[in-house]
Amino acid sequence: SQQGEEDPQALSIQEGENATMNCSYKTSINNLQWYRQNSGRGLVHLILIRSNEREKHSGRLRVTLDTSKKSSSLLITASRAADTASYFCATDGSSNTGKLIFGQGTTLQVKP
Amino acid sequence: GAVVSQHPSWVICKSGTSVKIECRSLDFQATTMFWYRQFPKQSLMLMATSNEGSKATYEQGVEKDKFLINHASLTLSTLTVTSAHPEDSSFYICSADGLRPDTQYFGPGTRLTVL
Repeated sequence: SQQGEEDPQALSIQEGENATMNCSYKTSINNLQWYRQNSGRGLVHLILIRSNEREKHSGRLRVTLDTSKKSSSLLITASRAADTASYFCATDGSSNTGKLIFGQGTTLQVKP
Repeated sequence: GAVVSQHPSWVICKSGTSVKIECRSLDFQATTMFWYRQFPKQSLMLMATSNEGSKATYEQGVEKDKFLINHASLTLSTLTVTSAHPEDSSFYICSADGLRPDTQYFGPGTRLTVL
């Protein structure tokens, strides 16, 4: 069952602006991951943050994790039109089966 | 590295027919493969988990007799949608792990349309 909630559901910004997406989950986790999906395509892994980490960076991406609030955020700085896509968080639900539980996703549109 | 392919990328079939979708890990051996379904503008729902040489584990609410999964080798898993109906029309995505810890690599997806 889905356990992640993401907000906003949709986000529209101008190129160069920052985009922030939030994800909340319900159970304990070992890690949380963010994925990107271009329309009608498969998913691309962006970044993984472990439950004992609070913040992680990768290029223009910054992810935070607050396990006490069971929430995470993804910040994309200096957005580009090519960043237009849907972004999903996914958790492992503290299982060791490799199964992922995906959030509802945020659709980001970056206008040139 | 870590490329996962799916075939076909799209398929249109008549109601009542069966459709087979292949998922291959091209440059690594997958410990486990996962099958997801995604309806338009919705998130991915895990359907089943499969390991090479063993029966797939289905999520609650997924009919195992309707969605047959075969994991014949460490690089190939197939999903067969049997007696497909229009409500089975969806985007089916597979993923594979085994290359890096806690990381799944996703295929490009297969768009199934049942008329």
